[in-house]
Amino acid sequence: ETGVTQSPTHLIKTRGQQVTLRCSSQSGHNTVSWYQQALGQGPQFIFQYYREEENGRGNFPPRFSGLQFPNYSSELNVNALELDDSALYLCAGTSGGAAETQYFGPGTRLLVL
Amino acid sequence: AQSVTQLGSHVSVSEGALVLLRCNYSSSVPPYLFWYVQYPNQGLQLLLKYTTGATLVKGINGFEAEFKKSETSFHLTKPSAHMSDAAEYFCAVTSMAGNQFYFGTGTSLTVIP
Repeated sequence: ETGVTQSPTHLIKTRGQQVTLRCSSQSGHNTVSWYQQALGQGPQFIFQYYREEENGRGNFPPRFSGLQFPNYSSELNVNALELDDSALYLCAGTSGGAAETQYFGPGTRLLVL
Repeated sequence: AQSVTQLGSHVSVSEGALVLLRCNYSSSVPPYLFWYVQYPNQGLQLLLKYTTGATLVKGINGFEAEFKKSETSFHLTKPSAHMSDAAEYFCAVTSMAGNQFYFGTGTSLTVIP
């Protein structure tokens, strides 16, 4: 039990739609990272938020955006969904610092038709 | 940019045999290194991490890994495999700033009774 929850667990959307995925982390997790894990692949780093500001970003287009809130929750928004966006989306909370352990949620599985 | 290579997408061992999962990284600066395990339909769980200090790191469930800077490797081992070790294993590296993360493509471990 990591104390990190994600909602919804599963989601089906059609191409071109927009989606919002949610993550709730533990108290004290002032840093949250989001990952995309395609089937059979390792997680790909999307971005990281620290104290409500984007702190780092992987190789993802601007249609992937996020928000972090003071209550240790966060959102991942994806606009103009494409078929290749179908994946498991993971969030991970940490109390900050590169050496700190990331605590992962169970993920949201998104299917884009 | 950093990268992580996991040799062998699938590894099978007999119950009680040695487990060896390979990980090499590319980085001009010694990074922080992690091994995570993922069970079906679950998020990632930290097995162990190397930050500084002793290069042989012990983790949960009897796993350990050795950081070898000269070989840019961080291989994961366990002396005796257990059926419950069957899972997907990911090696990961983070930048010193902690705002970029890179995962390998994963190694699926099968334990044969």
